[in-house]
Amino acid sequence: LAKTTQPISMDSYEGQEVNITCSHNNIATNDYITWYQQFPSQGPRFIIQGYKTKVTNEVASLFIPADRKSSTLSLPRVSLSDTAVYYCLVGSNNNAGNMLTFGGGTRLMVKP
Amino acid sequence: ETGVTQTPRHLVMGMTNKKSLKCEQHLGHNAMYWYKQSAKKPLELMFVYNFKEQTENNSVPSRFSPECPNSSHLFLHLHTLQPEDSALYLCASSQRRSVAGESEQFFGPGTRLTVL
Repeated sequence: LAKTTQPISMDSYEGQEVNITCSHNNIATNDYITWYQQFPSQGPRFIIQGYKTKVTNEVASLFIPADRKSSTLSLPRVSLSDTAVYYCLVGSNNNAGNMLTFGGGTRLMVKP
Repeated sequence: ETGVTQTPRHLVMGMTNKKSLKCEQHLGHNAMYWYKQSAKKPLELMFVYNFKEQTENNSVPSRFSPECPNSSHLFLHLHTLQPEDSALYLCASSQRRSVAGESEQFFGPGTRLTVL
């Protein structure tokens, strides 16, 4: 069962780059790594997804080393509105079939 | 606005009540999901439907009964719930069933359920 481990919380200041690392030692060959963002009382929102190496979009970058046992979400120049919980998600297999597993998430607090 | 709507947004019910949560997606997706998010716990996947057929049941108690009449609508029927079932219930959809997380999920705003 692919399980993810992330820091529980992180603090940052406006304008800084934030890197959140997720460990997924048991990631399966076919699993993708996906990051979601969640604001209070809202559903999670897709940020970025990757399989290996580096992926970049308009809001973030995702770095995945060759062994794929971890990944790092990079948020450039954060603002107060980036304060949210960030979830690292990998596909997983269990007795009930293929299912997705959300970890505990990382609560990012951006300060002025 | 994600294209996934949920009603009601808030629900308070007694343990002997029967209620239903509704989810509708306007994205033309084929897979729909129910998640439970309790305070201080990770998001828990409850049920998965693909082309109206239930494909996953994550050992959810029978007091939660899902229904998927078509690919656009998903219901969660509730009866004889317990106070510990109080949580945010989130619905999501994706173009196809995410076997390995490759299909982006779009979440609704959730229903905040309180069981007295």
